[in-house]
Formats: sequence, C-alpha cells, structure tokens
Amino acid sequence: AQSVTQLDSQVPVFEEAPVELRCNYSSSVSVYLFWYVQYPNQGLQLLLKYLSGSTLVESINGFEAEFNKSQTSFHLRKPSVHISDTAEYFCAVRGGTSYGKLTFGQGTILTVHP
Amino acid sequence: NAGVTQTPKFQVLKTGQSMTLQCAQDMNHEYMSWYRQDPGMGLRLIHYSVGAGITDQGEVPNGYNVSRSTTEDFPLRLLSAAPSQTSVYFCASSYSRTGGANGYTFGSGTRLTVV
Repeated sequence: AQSVTQLDSQVPVFEEAPVELRCNYSSSVSVYLFWYVQYPNQGLQLLLKYLSGSTLVESINGFEAEFNKSQTSFHLRKPSVHISDTAEYFCAVRGGTSYGKLTFGQGTILTVHP
Repeated sequence: NAGVTQTPKFQVLKTGQSMTLQCAQDMNHEYMSWYRQDPGMGLRLIHYSVGAGITDQGEVPNGYNVSRSTTEDFPLRLLSAAPSQTSVYFCASSYSRTGGANGYTFGSGTRLTVV
C-alpha cells in the first residue's frame, strides 16, 4: 500500500519569505502526485498535480512542486509567500494500479506572519 | 454551480444514535469516496465506490456503511455513533473510471461531534 509522509506538521514563515513543504512517498512502479490546500473551515482544493511529463509543475498562484523519482519526493515550494497562503497543505499519492484511491499525508500547517 | 454537496454541515449526536451523512454530485462522476479528517492524521479513506451498485472498504470502514444506488448520491451511514467517530467528514468524487489520474472534487465537509 502507498504511504505519504509530510515531514513538517507546522511551518511558520514571515511574509515574502520563501517556503518549502516537504513530502515523501513510498515507491511504486508509477505514481500520480497531488498537493491540496485547505483554508480554514473549508474543503480541500487541488493546488497542483504531477501525472507525467515535466517533473516541475506549477500552480496559478505561484506554488511549484518537483517530482523526484530517485528520492521519492514531491516537495512544494513558493519563492515569496503572502498572508493569504496561510492554510493546511496536504500531499497525496495515487499508485498506478490503485484505481481512484488517494493516500494523503498528515498535512502541514503553513502560517504566514506579517 | 456544479460540485459536491454535503449535508448537514454540522451535527451533534449522542452515543449510540445513528445517522446518515448525505453526499451528492452533479458532474456525472463515476468514482465517489468518503474520508474522515482528524488532527495530525491527514485524511483517511472510509469507503469508496467506483460506480452505481459497487462499493468497497477503505482504510477505516468499521462503524460505517455505504450504498450507491445512483451515480449522483453516496450516503454514509453511522450505525451506532461512538465518540471516536467525532471528526470532519469529506466526500470526494472524480470522473476517473479507467484509472487515468486526476484530482478529486471535495465537498465542504460535515463536522460531526459524538457526545
């Protein structure tokens, strides 16, 4: 079975600083990787995903993540965060044969301070 | 607006009571699932369905039942509520049928407290 480890449960940063949220997954022949964001008292929204092709994927609000197969990682980065980025971020993985079933990490709470 | 609708948004139950959490989607998605979210544990899969009439267990199915009589609806039933079932419940759906990867569309959640 797939597993996902988010290495930091909480990440506090100051506004305009860079941030990296780390995600490692258990190895599989093929995987699809996702980052979801959850704002307070809301459901989860898809932030970005890696399915195939370029290992660097980007979101519309400046986040990016890089698929690293050798290190089984899919870290999320943003060069300059805003107060509005404060949220909980979940990494998720779906193995190539595990139809539809996403496995989620424990979540990382990103808090951006002014 | 198209999406996943969950009702109710909040619920308080007494231990031993039963109830049904409703989930409906209007995107003609084949795949639907229920997750529970607990602090520090991420989201854990309770049950899922790959189409009408087909359901299967996820990671934490005990104490919950599901059925899928239509493509649109996927209710989650708590048979005899326990305090350990206090959680936030999310329903999610996806059009993926052949195994092609995609993200899920999530509902806004049901916050359940069992006292």
